[in-house]
Amino acid sequence: GAGVSQTPSNKVTEKGKYVELRCDPISGHTALYWYRQSLGQGPEFLIYFQGTGAADDSGLPNDRFFAVRPEGSVSTLKIQRTERGDSAVYLCASSAHGGETSGANVLTFGAGSRLTVL
Amino acid sequence: DAKTTQPTSMDCAEGRAANLPCNHSTISGNEYVYWYRQIHSQGPQYIIHGLKNNETNEMASLIITEDRKSSTLILPHATLRDTAVYYCIVRAHFSNAGNNRKLIWGLGTSLAVNP
Repeated sequence: GAGVSQTPSNKVTEKGKYVELRCDPISGHTALYWYRQSLGQGPEFLIYFQGTGAADDSGLPNDRFFAVRPEGSVSTLKIQRTERGDSAVYLCASSAHGGETSGANVLTFGAGSRLTVL
Repeated sequence: DAKTTQPTSMDCAEGRAANLPCNHSTISGNEYVYWYRQIHSQGPQYIIHGLKNNETNEMASLIITEDRKSSTLILPHATLRDTAVYYCIVRAHFSNAGNNRKLIWGLGTSLAVNP
């Protein structure tokens, strides 16, 4: 597709359950980002992939959060033992550019996956 | 990364120019100014970016002061569809700290375009 696709658009789960959120970036974009956005706040960085590797995972809040991008395209954000505080919109973005141009910070975002933990 | 300061909210009449200010007094010489917006229930959308020269594209114009301590995003003829939260972010295009690529988002300016 032409844009960044995220599924599911909405996910309601119970506390303690495992959740996977999928991101399909724009074809050919080598950089992929996950952000999290709570109500009324700006997006908060979680993790950045360059190709298949997680180049910066410093934003993952704890070891319950994990993300993969095995073939350098689709990425999955995995959350174990979900907690009510994990409720947020999880945003995925991709970029065609590497880190050495101003275009590296031009990101195309998906519509997000809204996670609600009851 | 430099911190930015934006007004919490602004109003604009439809068809008029919307001028959204951003202060970034601690900006470094290698940091660009980026603007994104987020329409309700959508992901953020890139608008424009610049280093020191004024920039214009099909969406907006970016005016950066000569000392680079502040900038203004201009939507020349605002429409109802421009109602959104507008974020100003400053960021170097390369990392001084390994592979750090995170963008630091504040609360932005909530722009309401009124009919």
